[in-house]
Amino acid sequence: AQSVTQLDSHVSVSEGTPVLLRCNYSSSYSPSLFWYVQHPNKGLQLLLKYTSAATLVKGINGFEAEFKKSETSFHLTKPSAHMSDAAEYFCVASYSSASKIIFGSGTRLSIRP
Amino acid sequence: KAGVTQTPRYLIKTRGQQVTLSCSPISGHRSVSWYQQTPGQGLQFLFEYFSETQRNKGNFPGRFSGRQFSNSRSEMNVSTLELGDSALYLCASSFLDKTEAFFGQGTRLTVV
Repeated sequence: AQSVTQLDSHVSVSEGTPVLLRCNYSSSYSPSLFWYVQHPNKGLQLLLKYTSAATLVKGINGFEAEFKKSETSFHLTKPSAHMSDAAEYFCVASYSSASKIIFGSGTRLSIRP
Repeated sequence: KAGVTQTPRYLIKTRGQQVTLSCSPISGHRSVSWYQQTPGQGLQFLFEYFSETQRNKGNFPGRFSGRQFSNSRSEMNVSTLELGDSALYLCASSFLDKTEAFFGQGTRLTVV
């Protein structure tokens, strides 16, 4: 069965330090993979996507993610956290259609001053 | 170009009533999907429409229904509202399968 696992429900880092949000997918097929961010009372905004091209994907706001097929991982990173990065982050896998879009359970990122 | 627009943004209804939510996709996008987001269940897929046809449906009761018009705008209807239907309802549009979905800001439905 296809699944997306976000290993941490909550991550807290200090401003200016690196961010790592972990995501693993489980599937026999290679999905398209996305990271979305959701600020309070807002919809989801696409940060970046992987669609079988370059394995290191750069997104908006300084975020990037690396697709590692051998580890079935797609972790999201940022070198230096900013207070405005505080939000909920969702790792998403897409297979063939919208019904095959599978959301991770989300990781809440908190930034300490 | 304009993003995905959902109306209304906020809604309060009483149990037993019915509600209709609207979603206007990005121009040129023909696929519209609906999701329910609650603190306990996270994001759950409701259904997807493509060219006025429901292509896929999630595991929700028949009280939840939808439709898509020829201009790709979509509506979602929930009848006989229950307290548990209180949620953020998100609509997303996409151009093709496996391409990214663009989300609206959602409609916050509160059932009292």
